Amino acid sequence: DTGVSQDPRHKITKRGQNVTFRCDPISEHNRLYWYRQTLGQGPEFLTYFQNEAQLEKSRLLSDRFSAERPKGSFSTLEIQRTEQGDSAMYLCAISLFDRNIQYFGAGTRLSVL
Amino acid sequence: AQSVTQLDSQVPVFEEAPVELRCNYSSSVSVYLFWYVQYPNQGLQLLLKYLSGSTLVESINGFEAEFNKSQTSFHLRKPSVHISDTAEYFCAVSELRDYKLSFGAGTTVTVRA
Repeated sequence: DTGVSQDPRHKITKRGQNVTFRCDPISEHNRLYWYRQTLGQGPEFLTYFQNEAQLEKSRLLSDRFSAERPKGSFSTLEIQRTEQGDSAMYLCAISLFDRNIQYFGAGTRLSVL
Repeated sequence: AQSVTQLDSQVPVFEEAPVELRCNYSSSVSVYLFWYVQYPNQGLQLLLKYLSGSTLVESINGFEAEFNKSQTSFHLRKPSVHISDTAEYFCAVSELRDYKLSFGAGTTVTVRA
């Protein structure tokens, strides 16, 4: 149990469609992160939340991407008008207070056809 | 901004042989260092971390890594590998007071009988 549940595990969509992923932290935490991992690469930072506040966004997060965290619990990542280049594994992670030790969920694999 | 270089993309090794995975980072400030392991179609699992104190850190399954500040390295070693160690290994760094992780491109370890 990694302390993070992600849903769905796999998503196949057609180019131009909108998709939404969900991240549910199970363990105690105060920060939540989103990363993207393309084939053969390490994860790349997208954004992070401290409680409800979105404190930093990478320039990788184009206008088509939006992340929310209502009430400081679960988080959603939405991609509008998907493109084939959005195909990747989307990973959610959490960390606890002052210790930047991040624990990852199993990820959502997106395939855009 | 910090960056991570993993010098080997593929490391084939025979069972019970030693293995070393190399990781170098660049940063102008103090850092935290991590090794994560990823099994096929799974998220990242924390293998070990360096936050402060002793420069040699160990995991529960026999891996160890040594932080070398002068060489800006954090190489991962195991004296005797098992088939079950077959996976992809990622080195990651975060700067103090900066919460995002920067990952290397990963090293695929394949253990053969």
